[in-house]
Amino acid sequence: EDQVTQSPEALRLQEGESSSLNCSYTVSGLRGLFWYRQDPGKGPEFLFTLYSAGEEKEKERLKATLTKKESFLHITAPKPEDSATYLCAVQRMYGGATNKLIFGTGTLLAVQP
Amino acid sequence: DTGVSQDPRHKITKRGQNVTFRCDPISEHNRLYWYRQTLGQGPEFLTYFQNEAQLEKSRLLSDRFSAERPKGSFSTLEIQRTEQGDSAMYLCASSSQGGGSPLHFGNGTRLTVT
Repeated sequence: EDQVTQSPEALRLQEGESSSLNCSYTVSGLRGLFWYRQDPGKGPEFLFTLYSAGEEKEKERLKATLTKKESFLHITAPKPEDSATYLCAVQRMYGGATNKLIFGTGTLLAVQP
Repeated sequence: DTGVSQDPRHKITKRGQNVTFRCDPISEHNRLYWYRQTLGQGPEFLTYFQNEAQLEKSRLLSDRFSAERPKGSFSTLEIQRTEQGDSAMYLCASSSQGGGSPLHFGNGTRLTVT
């Protein structure tokens, strides 16, 4: 059974204090791993897609990396506006016609000024 | 690109009533998804459309739930005889045809069943 596990469940950082969020996965054939940001009361906002081990993507203070078993979302010198829930999701290679995503439960990040 | 639009944003209903939600996907996307999200959880897949055809439904989807996508444009999700356990955020997403394409989500409909 496909599974996505994110850790920690919650993380509190001081502004400027860098850290990493973890997403470990088991899936029968990975087509892609996706990171989303979700603000309270809003839908998930797409950040990155990673397709193969060793791949890295960057956007502002965020950098996502991928291995064969897990992905990390590194946050460098975070600001209070980076506070949100970060969701990881996987897409199966042999998932039929659909591109559906299987999500983890997310990491709630709070950055204090 | 105006994004995925969902209506209403909030719905409060009494147990046993029927409710219907609407989703307007990104216009050039032919794939449409419905997800449900409860507090502290990630989105959970409900159903998927390619154009007007409903190609996949979650085993978790009760018979009280039905979705349509007439003419392959907007979609509706109806819940009949609502129960308190149906209270959740209902999210709609769309994507383009290519494998590995990201899903783009709307801001959801928050359903509260009293």
